[in-house]
Amino acid sequence: AQSVTQPDIHITVSEGASLELRCNYSYGATPYLFWYVQSPGQGLQLLLKYFSGDTLVQGIKGFEAEFKRSQSSFNLRKPSVHWSDAAEYFCAVGGGNTDKLIFGTGTRLQVFP
Amino acid sequence: DAMVIQNPRYQVTQFGKPVTLSCSQTLNHNVMYWYQQKSSQAPKLLFHYYDKDFNNEADTPDNFQSRRPNTSFCFLDIRSPGLGDAAMYLCATSRVGGGNSPLHFGNGTRLTVT
Repeated sequence: AQSVTQPDIHITVSEGASLELRCNYSYGATPYLFWYVQSPGQGLQLLLKYFSGDTLVQGIKGFEAEFKRSQSSFNLRKPSVHWSDAAEYFCAVGGGNTDKLIFGTGTRLQVFP
Repeated sequence: DAMVIQNPRYQVTQFGKPVTLSCSQTLNHNVMYWYQQKSSQAPKLLFHYYDKDFNNEADTPDNFQSRRPNTSFCFLDIRSPGLGDAAMYLCATSRVGGGNSPLHFGNGTRLTVT
């Protein structure tokens, strides 16, 4: 079955600290992978995507993610977190002949000063 | 700027009173989606249109319907809202199927059922 797992429901970091949000997927075909961010009361905004090629992808707001096929993972990273990064982060997978994305359950990030 | 616009941002309706949520896009994307998102949960796909072709998710209640009169507009109709339908409703678009191209989301409509 196709699925996305985000093992961490809630993460708290200090401003300036590094961040890694985990994402594991199960997908029968070549996956297209996405990270979205959602601020309170807002829609989802695309941070970055992986379709093919270089497995380390850069996104907006200083985020990057690395696709590791052997581990079925697509973890999101940021070297130095800012208070404005506090939000909900969703990993998603799609691809093949489907019109649909499958979302993970999200990780809520809190940032302390 | 090209975008996805949802109106209204907040909608209050009474139990059982029909309500319509609207979504418009200036991206000229082929695909439009409606998601339901409850607090602290992932967005749940209700249905989507690929051009005029309507695709309903198997577990979407019959109470939820949709219309897409043209490329730019898509509506979500809830025929008889129940308390359990209170949620954020997100509209999204993609150039081609969402599995193969990014989704562009509106800011959502938060529905309250009294």
